Amino acid sequence: AQTVTQSQPEMSVQEAETVTLSCTYDTSENNYYLFWYKQPPSRQMILVIRQEAYKQQNATENRFSVNFQKAAKSFSLKISDSQLGDTAMYFCAFMKHGGLGGFKTIFGAGTRLFVKA
Amino acid sequence: DGGITQSPKYLFRKEGQNVTLSCEQNLNHDAMYWYRQDPGQGLRLIYYSQIVNDFQKGDIAEGYSVSREKKESFPLTVTSAQKNPTAFYLCASSPRHPPLPDTQYFGPGTRLTVL
Repeated sequence: AQTVTQSQPEMSVQEAETVTLSCTYDTSENNYYLFWYKQPPSRQMILVIRQEAYKQQNATENRFSVNFQKAAKSFSLKISDSQLGDTAMYFCAFMKHGGLGGFKTIFGAGTRLFVKA
Repeated sequence: DGGITQSPKYLFRKEGQNVTLSCEQNLNHDAMYWYRQDPGQGLRLIYYSQIVNDFQKGDIAEGYSVSREKKESFPLTVTSAQKNPTAFYLCASSPRHPPLPDTQYFGPGTRLTVL
């Protein structure tokens, strides 16, 4: 069965500094997607970044980038030049179609990030 | 504006009552999902639908029911059989085609409280 683990329940970072959130997952599939979502206090889930497993190049979206290590099943999120608006809960998510068990989408328990002024 | 709407934002229910949560999208997405979020936890999948008139159980479907009669709408009914329904419910939709297939876009959520 697939699992997604976020080992850091809470983290804090000083404004303008860089922080890395970790995510590991377990699957026997070869084709899948990985996502990072942000949930601010409004509770609206917002897509931060996505990665297709077949792509070796790490995804980047402005200040957000990932370190995708497929063999190690690791998918960490790096936030550069942290801003106060980055304060939120961050969820790592896994999705696959087909294969054993068919469609599956799993979210980690989340990491609460505080950006300090 | 394209997006996903959920209503109501807050819902109160007496024990033993069924309630229906609304989810509508105008993004022309084929797939729709319902998740439950409990305090301090991630999202758990209740039901999903990848095409009109078809839906599948997720990981925690017991006590819930859905319908998908229209592409735009995916209502969730929380029945009296659901033992602990108080939670935050999120609806999402995703396209099946590029440029961002399978990326889920979320509604603002409904907070259900059982009195």
